[in-house]
Amino acid sequence: SYELTQPPSVSVSPGQTASITCSGDKLGDKYACWYHQKPGQSPVLIIYQDTKRPSGIPERFSGSNSGNTATLTISGTQAMDEADYYCQAWDSNTVVFGGGTKLTVL
Amino acid sequence: EVQLVESGGGLVQPGGSLRLSCAASGFTFSSYDMHWVRQATGKGLEWVSGIGVAGDTYYPGSVKGRFTISRENAKNSLYLQMNSLRAGDTAVYYCAREERRNSGFDYWGQGTLVTVSS
Repeated sequence: SYELTQPPSVSVSPGQTASITCSGDKLGDKYACWYHQKPGQSPVLIIYQDTKRPSGIPERFSGSNSGNTATLTISGTQAMDEADYYCQAWDSNTVVFGGGTKLTVL
Repeated sequence: EVQLVESGGGLVQPGGSLRLSCAASGFTFSSYDMHWVRQATGKGLEWVSGIGVAGDTYYPGSVKGRFTISRENAKNSLYLQMNSLRAGDTAVYYCAREERRNSGFDYWGQGTLVTVSS
């Protein structure tokens, strides 16, 4: 079965750029989505179709996808961005989520 | 305002059954693909099932044959029938909508907790 691999944790200083990767076989041939989830809350879609932001999502969130890796980039990271981040893609007729990355802003 | 409200969770014994419901409002339910996603405490997201606007259904291997997703457009409702439940099925179950494949799960409910234990 298809797998998406994310680093368990990423740390970033406030105001700096955070990058979270998501790796899967030929992931660049698929579309990647990204979600963040804060404790006790439901996930929120922040990137879809590799690079698109839903309305209301700040411009500091951006995405890319090529080869075997999709990347979520958060520019000018803020304390409020501290959360768990998940990538997601469709493979054939199944939905796959990455294992999640805990972003710490310190 | 788009709302997805899950219900039907609770405590069930191993081998038992449970039916979850998701009440949708604020959008044209029949025009969206719908999904169930679960999350065990302290763990990541796991997709459980999906249903298209035409009623086509999709499952991962972990639940295929045990879980059945369905929708009733006239009632703006999504369902998940769960049979032969195991301890590993214990999780918060979310319903989520997707406008079309690859458009992302743009709205999620608040979740309903399913606990499988004797």
